[in-house]
Amino acid sequence: EVQLLESGGGLVQPGGSLRLSCAASGFTFSSYGMAWVRQAPGKGLEWVTGISGSGTNTYYADSVKGRFTVSRDNSKSTLFLQMNSLRAEDTALYYCAKDLNVAAAATVYLDYWGQGALVTVSS
Amino acid sequence: SYELTQAPSVSVYPGQTASITCSGDKLGDKYASWYQQKPGQSPMLVIYQDTKRPSGIPERFSGSNSGNTATLTISGTQAMDEADYYCQAWDSSHVVFGGGTRLTVL
Repeated sequence: EVQLLESGGGLVQPGGSLRLSCAASGFTFSSYGMAWVRQAPGKGLEWVTGISGSGTNTYYADSVKGRFTVSRDNSKSTLFLQMNSLRAEDTALYYCAKDLNVAAAATVYLDYWGQGALVTVSS
Repeated sequence: SYELTQAPSVSVYPGQTASITCSGDKLGDKYASWYQQKPGQSPMLVIYQDTKRPSGIPERFSGSNSGNTATLTISGTQAMDEADYYCQAWDSSHVVFGGGTRLTVL
């Protein structure tokens, strides 16, 4: 059974940093691209970033480029999101999600999602 | 940047057909996907690559994409289908989501 478990969320002041983790199990982690998608309270889905199975290719939304960094440790089946220079508008539930297709060129179709980690940016 | 537009809400009676649309410039030239999200739950992929259903998704869910509009069709809508639905596409190395449509089953 595929499981994705996010951790690391919390309350942080504007300008601060936070690192999210997503522990994956139930599939060959290194074979699949992964993504982070966020959802502000009462709002819609917003794609944040994607990373290929090998970690070689990464993609970022314009709203986070230069502030957020996605990475993965395939030996530990874990996905990370390093978030710096956080702003109030980054407040959201951050979901970790898995690509449907093995070894896809880009992480687009997200077939499994975690329960999310809540990030609140406030003074 | 690329944008996908969805109507905020759609209503349907049980057993009827629900159509949820998503519009974007030359969307038909890209692949569209659809996600269902029920209150308090994580999103779930229901259609990808315009017309394909992931394993476990009922046959009453179908999709199409042509011109500037992608459509999610739910035939014989059930009360359990009441949810928010988001379209998605890939453009210029970015994943784009529509704003979402709330489907109400009357």
